[in-house]
This record gives sequence, C-alpha cells and structure tokens, in this order.
Amino acid sequence: DTGVSQDPRHKITKRGQNVTFRCDPISEHNRLYWYRQTLGQGPEFLTYFQNEAQLEKSRLLSDRFSAERPKGSFSTLEIQRTEQGDSAMYLCASSPIQGAETQYFGPGTRLLVL
Amino acid sequence: AQSVAQPEDQVNVAEGNPLTVKCTYSVSGNPYLFWYVQYPNRGLQFLLKYITGDNLVKGSYGFEAEFNKSQTSFHLKKPSALVSDSALYFCAVRDMGGGFKTIFGAGTRLFVKA
Repeated sequence: DTGVSQDPRHKITKRGQNVTFRCDPISEHNRLYWYRQTLGQGPEFLTYFQNEAQLEKSRLLSDRFSAERPKGSFSTLEIQRTEQGDSAMYLCASSPIQGAETQYFGPGTRLLVL
Repeated sequence: AQSVAQPEDQVNVAEGNPLTVKCTYSVSGNPYLFWYVQYPNRGLQFLLKYITGDNLVKGSYGFEAEFNKSQTSFHLKKPSALVSDSALYFCAVRDMGGGFKTIFGAGTRLFVKA
C-alpha cells in the first residue's frame, strides 16, 4: 500500500503525559498537513509543511503542540502535558505541489486522554 | 474568513433514488472546493474537486457536484444511490489566494436504505 500511513492507530494516555504521533506521506508528495477531528465535526487544520519547512500553523496549535518534518519525508506531531480536551482523531494528509492541492489522508491516530 | 456550511446533519434516501448532499461556502477570493467521504474507522477519501472551468464536476464512484457561484454552493449529487454509499461526507474549501489552510464542513451522514 503506497498511501499515507500513521502510527500508532490508537493511543490511550493519562493526563499530563507526552505523546508523539508519526505520519509517513505518499513518497513523492512535498506537502504534508496535520488536522484534528473531534466527534461530530469535520477536520480542523493544525499545520502544514512544504518539504521540511513548516509554513502555516493554526491558532489551535497551542505551545503544547509541536510538529516536525526534519528531512522532508515523515512528520511527527508531539503533544506535551496532554489534557482531556486533546482527545480526538489526529489526521495526516499529503499532496503533491501540482495537482491543485488534492490532499490524500491517512487513517488517523485516535487519542484518548484519561 | 473562509467557512463551509453543510446544513443537513443527515440525509436519508432509498437505494436507486437520486441523492443530494448540500454545501455552501464563503471565501474572500476564488475557491478550491472539495468533497471527501469517510467510512467508519477510515481516513477521508477524496471524491472530487472544483478548481475552475465546467461547473459540473464528475468524481469517483459515480458522484458529481455542481458549482454555483451566485449561490456559493457546491452540492454533491448521484443519480442512483447504493447502500454502499452510506457514509459521512465532508465538503471543504480553500481560498486560492489565502494560503494552504483548508476548511471542512461539519459533515453530513448519508443513509441509503435498501
């Protein structure tokens, strides 16, 4: 399967712990996006990378959240000092530079903060 | 500011009947418009997009959407619904001149009854 992959698929953690999620985009895609989706809502944009550069961040991305894409390939999203309100599905998507921005999504990582 | 509205939380249709899932949008410039579908425990799958040109866009699985600039709408349609079309559908918009942030609607759940 050459689609977007995310790891882990599920994560249960206790409040105050740190968690890190990984996203592997489609190999030839330069652009990578992170979204958060809560129950009954559509995905909310968190941040965007073009190659290794983080070009846009949502105000939703508090200082407890950090994302990296060090070599322009896979990306990590870390949440420090998790809160119950962080419980959500975290989605990663990638797109080529051309192709009018069609984003291809991974299966998501479901986070539950107890 | 960009926004997307999906006025129906749920749409019910009988198999074989035509279906419409509604979407209206607001952007300051020209829009890129997308429809995605989400099946349980799966990521979002791209269905179709409107960038420019013909107002009627054809996509995957027999779906199509009509862009109406005067009504700022982008309704999703299918001439004959299948039970397997039952899923959660999201409309999304990106302002062509406003960066890479994509805004998703809250989603419409489609139930197709046999």
